[in-house]
Amino acid sequence: NSKVIQTPRYLVKGQGQKAKMRCIPEKGHPVVFWYQQNKNNEFKFLINFQNQEVLQQIDMTEKRFSAECPSNSPCSLEIQSSEAGDSALYLCASSLGEQYFGPGTRLTVL
Amino acid sequence: GEKVEQHESTLSVREGDSAVINCTYTDTASSYFPWYKQEAGKSLHFVIDIRSNVDRKQSQRLIVLLDKKAKRFSLHITATQPEDSAIYFCAAKGNNYAQGLTFGLGTRVSVFP
Repeated sequence: NSKVIQTPRYLVKGQGQKAKMRCIPEKGHPVVFWYQQNKNNEFKFLINFQNQEVLQQIDMTEKRFSAECPSNSPCSLEIQSSEAGDSALYLCASSLGEQYFGPGTRLTVL
Repeated sequence: GEKVEQHESTLSVREGDSAVINCTYTDTASSYFPWYKQEAGKSLHFVIDIRSNVDRKQSQRLIVLLDKKAKRFSLHITATQPEDSAIYFCAAKGNNYAQGLTFGLGTRVSVFP
């Protein structure tokens, strides 16, 4: 069973507002991933970290999202200016091989 | 980039029968193929995976087959039970352990008595 913790479970924001979500990976897992799952079950890989360093990120993440994984603090993903199309389930996974997912943060942008 | 196609969007099976979900992928460099289960309102739960150095893996009632030539892999749920009802996602990625997964669109499995 996954021990990845994500907060908050639900987030409601207006368009243009910032939306921030957090993730505590499983202890000992060096790699953290963020994915977006939309209502059509399409998954989009957003960004990943190894320890505190970004390994890969997609264009969208570079432009409108900011993310970090500081040592001894939760990882975070923040949308700088929320759009309606950002409404989705944001999943954090940590990995030492297999990827184990947290419960997700369901973002609704009104 | 990699594309993963999940062929069955829904599957309805009688309790005790087997359910088979098929996925195909496009990138010959993909070498790791996990499966996840998602129950209503919940997150993804890892169920089983297979790596490209084998063509079959079994864990209790779950069997995964991999056909690298056809770029196809499948999940067999044997002796289905009501608690197997969920959406199942296949995924693929290459050798790099830090690489993100590419997912299929999911198969909704319903087990009826």
